[in-house]
Amino acid sequence: GAGVSQSPSNKVTEKGKDVELRCDPISGHTALYWYRQSLGQGLEFLIYFQGNSAPDKSGLPSDRFSAERTGGSVSTLTIQRTQQEDSAVYLCASSFGTSGREQYFGPGTRLTVT
Amino acid sequence: SQQGEEDPQALSIQEGENATMNCSYKTSINNLQWYRQNSGRGLVHLILIRSNEREKHSGRLRVTLDTSKKSSSLLITASRAADTASYFCATDAKHNTDKLIFGTGTRLQVFP
Repeated sequence: GAGVSQSPSNKVTEKGKDVELRCDPISGHTALYWYRQSLGQGLEFLIYFQGNSAPDKSGLPSDRFSAERTGGSVSTLTIQRTQQEDSAVYLCASSFGTSGREQYFGPGTRLTVT
Repeated sequence: SQQGEEDPQALSIQEGENATMNCSYKTSINNLQWYRQNSGRGLVHLILIRSNEREKHSGRLRVTLDTSKKSSSLLITASRAADTASYFCATDAKHNTDKLIFGTGTRLQVFP
């Protein structure tokens, strides 16, 4: 009866390195969302998946950010050539369907770029 | 860009008092949701109100929605120290119901 899980919970990386953040949604949830939250701020939408396809990538801040989802389940958010402004908490959520659905959030990955 | 904005940004009250948080949004919606966040980590869904509803209750929570003013309020009655958290509203958009846009949040501190 697991909820949404994310790994790692914390990641410290040097500027210029690539990082991969993982999200494991609730089993059976077809929609998966990635958000970013800077310290003391609201949630910034990054991308969402319906199944394995990403109908809306409009929130990705730059081409250094990419995400994929395979098998309609696990998703990976990749940030290439990390910059200090990428430091934030990255939150993943899943829902059963999209329209008007409650989203279930994971605990987030706190990324620190030094 | 943010769809919603909450006010106040921060609110401090004593246990037992009521806390009211407001949310304003910009475009027509199908529904509005409120979420709670502890310690800057995962959010927890509290309540959903549809655009054709004006008021909804869940335990000590009361949510109102005024679509003519594009605003919603969340009232927490008889607050407890454990209610200390950040509260966010989130809306979909009539023309794009697939994603939620979150507001800026209200940080609530309840003192025992």
